[in-house]
Amino acid sequence: AQTVTQSQPEMSVQEAETVTLSCTYDTSESNYYLFWYKQPPSRQMILVIRQEAYKQQNATENRFSVNFQKAAKSFSLKISDSQLGDTAMYFCAFMKGSGGSNYKLTFGKGTLLTVNP
Amino acid sequence: ETGVTQTPRHLVMGMTNKKSLKCEQHLGHNAMYWYKQSAKKPLELMFVYNFKEQTENNSVPSRFSPECPNSSHLFLHLHTLQPEDSALYLCASSPRTSGPDTQYFGPGTRLTVL
Repeated sequence: AQTVTQSQPEMSVQEAETVTLSCTYDTSESNYYLFWYKQPPSRQMILVIRQEAYKQQNATENRFSVNFQKAAKSFSLKISDSQLGDTAMYFCAFMKGSGGSNYKLTFGKGTLLTVNP
Repeated sequence: ETGVTQTPRHLVMGMTNKKSLKCEQHLGHNAMYWYKQSAKKPLELMFVYNFKEQTENNSVPSRFSPECPNSSHLFLHLHTLQPEDSALYLCASSPRTSGPDTQYFGPGTRLTVL
């Protein structure tokens, strides 16, 4: 079974600064996908970024980028130029890439990020 | 209306009540999911439906009964729940054209069982 660990329950950052959220995972799979989802207070959970394990290049989406270290099974999220609207719970998630697994998502417990003005 | 919608957004029920949660997706997706989100715990997958057929039941107690009449609608029927069932219930959908794909979530139903 896969496990996803987010070791930082809470973090805070000043507006316009950069912050990195940590995520590690444990799997014996070679083909898989990793995701970061964002859940703002009382709002819908939305996808921030997605990484295919077979791709060596780190995924980026505007101010959001990941540092994917496959050998270390690490998948951290970097948020540059933090904005007040980035305040949210961030979840790291894992999905097996094959094997008729229903492509289930396994989530970490989340990191609550607060951006301070 | 776009995306994934859920009704009601908040629900308070007694342990002997019967209620239903509704999820509707307007994205043309073929797979739908129910998740339970409890405080201090990771999201737990409950059920998966692909093309209206249930393909996953993650050892969910029978007091939770899902129904998927078509690829756009998903229900979760609740009966004789326990206080520990209080949580945020999230619905999600995904294209499921082939292989792994991104899941899109609804806003959730905040359930309180008294």
